[in-house]
Amino acid sequence: GDSVTQMEGPVTLSEEAFLTINCTYTATGYPSLFWYVQYPGEGLQLLLKATKADDKGSNKGFEATYRKETTSFHLEKGSVQVSDSAVYFCALIEKTSYDKVIFGPGTSLSVIP
Amino acid sequence: DVKVTQSSRYLVKRTGEKVFLECVQDMDHENMFWYRQDPGLGLRLIYFSYDVKMKEKGDIPEGYSVSREKKERFSLILESASTNQTSMYLCASRGAGPAYEQYFGPGTRLTVT
Repeated sequence: GDSVTQMEGPVTLSEEAFLTINCTYTATGYPSLFWYVQYPGEGLQLLLKATKADDKGSNKGFEATYRKETTSFHLEKGSVQVSDSAVYFCALIEKTSYDKVIFGPGTSLSVIP
Repeated sequence: DVKVTQSSRYLVKRTGEKVFLECVQDMDHENMFWYRQDPGLGLRLIYFSYDVKMKEKGDIPEGYSVSREKKERFSLILESASTNQTSMYLCASRGAGPAYEQYFGPGTRLTVT
């Protein structure tokens, strides 16, 4: 079945460091891909998305490119801040009848000053 | 802005009690979802609904039921709460089609004693 794999962390970085969180997926078709972020004590919120191959999603300095050839959607940010400390979830939606969302396990990020 | 609201942020119930968790969305979304989130287990889908009075089991439906009598409201019911149902419960909604992201509520932290 469809699945999403991502590095589980926790990841600890110093402020202004470069961030990469790897995400790879398996799917039978051409899914839409998403990154969600969950700040402490809150629900998840959409960070960025891409709906077709080679699309780049971007938001708040984060970027991810939909790579069909490597079935990947890695999240990157050039310079992280303490306020980026959160859990990040990679997800896909397969184009099936009921559009069920498949989430990765989440990656916890801590940014220290 | 899309809003997904959940009836309680924190709830404490006793073993054997019947528990209702309510979720309301204001964007006329077709699809609604209930997840539970536990440390180390990520997000697990309990039930989802793609239309009024329609429901589908997710990955862990045992011990839960749902109700969707109106499009904007999706209720999760614990018929007889048990201590292993202590968890964070997240409701989400989204429009039909694979390009649409999910919108999450803030979550309900349920403790069963």
